[in-house]
Amino acid sequence: SQQGEEDPQALSIQEGENATMNCSYKTSINNLQWYRQNSGRGLVHLILIRSNEREKHSGRLRVTLDTSKKSSSLLITASRAADTASYFCATDQGGSEKLVFGKGTKLTVNP
Amino acid sequence: AAGVIQSPRHLIKEKRETATLKCYPIPRHDTVYWYQQGPGQDPQFLISFYEKMQSDKGSIPDRFSAQQFSDYHSELNMSSLELGDSALYFCASSSGDEKLFFGSGTQLSVL
Repeated sequence: SQQGEEDPQALSIQEGENATMNCSYKTSINNLQWYRQNSGRGLVHLILIRSNEREKHSGRLRVTLDTSKKSSSLLITASRAADTASYFCATDQGGSEKLVFGKGTKLTVNP
Repeated sequence: AAGVIQSPRHLIKEKRETATLKCYPIPRHDTVYWYQQGPGQDPQFLISFYEKMQSDKGSIPDRFSAQQFSDYHSELNMSSLELGDSALYFCASSSGDEKLFFGSGTQLSVL
């Protein structure tokens, strides 16, 4: 079964608002990553958080990780129309090189 | 900076035909991954190679095979194509630092 499950599946907000996406996973991990995908394009790495980290920031992105709940959240602050994309979390599986992706959240930021 | 290059960008095939997808990783990246993404779905891991040897295998049908060559490029060979094989096929490469760099994908349509 798929490692990561994301919530919500779709999110529509206005420019300037914050967007929060959540991800849950099932097995132990070394790290969790978030990727962005514009429609029909390749995935782009956004941020990586290790299992011993609780929070990480990168520009307007803030990621949290709760290993006890096996969950992570991605917060995009002050959203822009250009942030419109699908966002996926991905986890290793305790040392495996491959990444297992969640089902993704489709974010629409309306101008 | 050089990115992961995939060819062709689009491919249309009939049922039962064969297809070969190519991937050229970022220079000095020693690991290549193949993912399949159906419409509205999350990317599913197919297979990976490290230093030209298969390193991991996911949900890759027996009709598919892949290899990595001495110049590190990789090819995914798909035979006896079925309608359900229609998907976006991504190649990604990494240098071992856990972050994956994705190509723009090959959109395969099986008619």
